[in-house]
Order: sequence, then C-alpha cells, then structure tokens
Amino acid sequence: GEDVEQSLFLSVREGDSSVINCTYTDSSSTYLYWYKQEPGAGLQLLTYIFSNMDMKQDQRLTVLLNKKDKHLSLRIADTQTGDSAIYFCAEMLGSSNTGKLIFGQGTTLQVKP
Amino acid sequence: KAGVTQTPRYLIKTRGQQVTLSCSPISGHRSVSWYQQTPGQGLQFLFEYFSETQRNKGNFPGRFSGRQFSNSRSEMNVSTLELGDSALYLCASSLAPGPYEQYFGPGTRLTVT
Repeated sequence: GEDVEQSLFLSVREGDSSVINCTYTDSSSTYLYWYKQEPGAGLQLLTYIFSNMDMKQDQRLTVLLNKKDKHLSLRIADTQTGDSAIYFCAEMLGSSNTGKLIFGQGTTLQVKP
Repeated sequence: KAGVTQTPRYLIKTRGQQVTLSCSPISGHRSVSWYQQTPGQGLQFLFEYFSETQRNKGNFPGRFSGRQFSNSRSEMNVSTLELGDSALYLCASSLAPGPYEQYFGPGTRLTVT
C-alpha cells in the first residue's frame, strides 16, 4: 500500500541538531524527498535520495535511509530559528513511470531561541 | 532561471461556481503535477501531465479536470464548487515523469463560500 508516516511535532533549541523521522511502506520507492513549507508558502525542495543510497549530506542536512526498515530521516545540524517550518517527506513509487508523490502528514519543527 | 509560477495566488468563489487555476513550469520542464493541500487530508495528488497527456489521476471526482498546452503550461478546472474544495492547490514541475526532482510553485489559495 501507499502510506508515509511522520511524527507531527518536534521542538529543539537553537544550535541543537534536529532529527525528523519518516517511515514508508512501498518497497518499490525510487526517490525519497524532503520538502520544507513555511507559513503561507509552497513547498521548497530541500534534498532527495535515491533508494539505492544509504546516506546523503548537503551542507547542514543529512539524509539517512534504512531501506530494510523503510525508514528515512532528516538531520539538520546547528538548527536556526529560520528552520522553523513544516517538513514533509515524500516517496515516489517505482511501480510505474510516474511522477506521483505520496506525502507524509508533515512534521512541525519549532526552534526555540 | 525562474521558478514555477501559479496564478492567481488567491481566489474566493461561491458554491456552485467553477474556477480555473494556471501553472507555468520551470523553463525546459515538460511534466506538471497538481496537488491539493488541506488541513484534514494533507497533500493529495490530483493529476499529472506530460506532453499534453494526462498520465496519472488521483482519487478525485470528475469535477476536477486539467489540461496541458504545447508550451507545457497547465491549467486545472474545478466545476460546481463545494465548500470542501477550499484548499491550497499546488503545482509541481519536473523534467519528465519518473525519478526527477520536482519543484513546487507558491500555490493558489482557493476559498469557497
């Protein structure tokens, strides 16, 4: 089935690391994405990872993928108040040549000064 | 390079009316997907277009329709509006269907009264 689950809320102190977790169900997923949404805005693509990779690092962002457990995480190092937003993970299914994304419900990240 | 643009940004309509939303993808991108975002249902896939053809459709009633033009610009139409159609409608563009980066526009906020 197509299902992506995320915890709904995470609160951290400025300067700490944030880890946002996501689980998905479809083993045929090809790409897994992380998007950021600020109030009143669209979705900003943060990073993505191929399903045949274990890790991807991009400046303050680290994505870890455990394909066996179908678990994806996004680590934000040195979290800043400007990182406060809703973070969505999404999977692209590999069963057909389509760009359809299945989104999680989003994790609200609150960064306290 | 300009990002994905969506017009209008805000719309207020009355029940029973119809509405047309427009999306211009990133230059060179030929695939356009549409999503509906509501607080209750989250982000849900509406449809995907490539080369003026609908490739995939989500689980929405026939009141929701779309099309794509030869320049890759896309429109979606909702007829006989219902209160539950109030949502943020997001458009995403990518080079082609399948495992490519998808970039979202700022969305059109539709309010049905």
